[in-house]
Amino acid sequence: KAGVTQTPRYLIKTRGQQVTLSCSPISGHRSVSWYQQTPGQGLQFLFEYFSETQRNKGNFPGRFSGRQFSNSRSEMNVSTLELGDSALYLCASSLEVAGELFFGEGSRLTVL
Amino acid sequence: GNSVTQMEGPVTLSEEAFLTINCTYTATGYPSLFWYVQYPGEGLQLLLKATKADDKGSNKGFEATYRKETTSFHLEKGSVQVSDSAVYFCALSELGNQFYFGTGTSLTVIP
Repeated sequence: KAGVTQTPRYLIKTRGQQVTLSCSPISGHRSVSWYQQTPGQGLQFLFEYFSETQRNKGNFPGRFSGRQFSNSRSEMNVSTLELGDSALYLCASSLEVAGELFFGEGSRLTVL
Repeated sequence: GNSVTQMEGPVTLSEEAFLTINCTYTATGYPSLFWYVQYPGEGLQLLLKATKADDKGSNKGFEATYRKETTSFHLEKGSVQVSDSAVYFCALSELGNQFYFGTGTSLTVIP
């Protein structure tokens, strides 16, 4: 069974640009969550989607947005990038909301 | 609100030493508790879990017991190996709500 797949794995952007990250969950999983991981802040919850609906949202500015498609694949977008957005962005899928999480390897974003 | 507090790292141990990583939680209801592990360059993997009070989760020689009276879920292993070097995260979830993670504890095991 294929795991959670995130693309791209690494990317470099400059301040002011925008970025879109993609996540394909495990087949059959309908819930997808996104986390930002930084050395100083640890894992911070961004948002969770279930059946194309945003169920929960963390405390991030509106520059961070996401969506989920009918096939459960999810994307997150960060607009007007800032240096502080440099982080590892982790996607996790689960069978149900707040069920056991299965993580992808992450997308490492560097903002210059 | 919900939160998880875990032992500050980093932790350095010699091979075959005993490991304890402390984790306490605050929750409004009856959460499930988890330990996740992150090996270098990888995403998080579930190590073990417990869904109700007094449950013991175990995997790969690691154990943790859900203690409601002390709101704790400490991770233990009797004899660590170099391959256990990783970052360990304690987490909780309540049905219908998001996961809450601790800040992570880095473990290095030296031969």
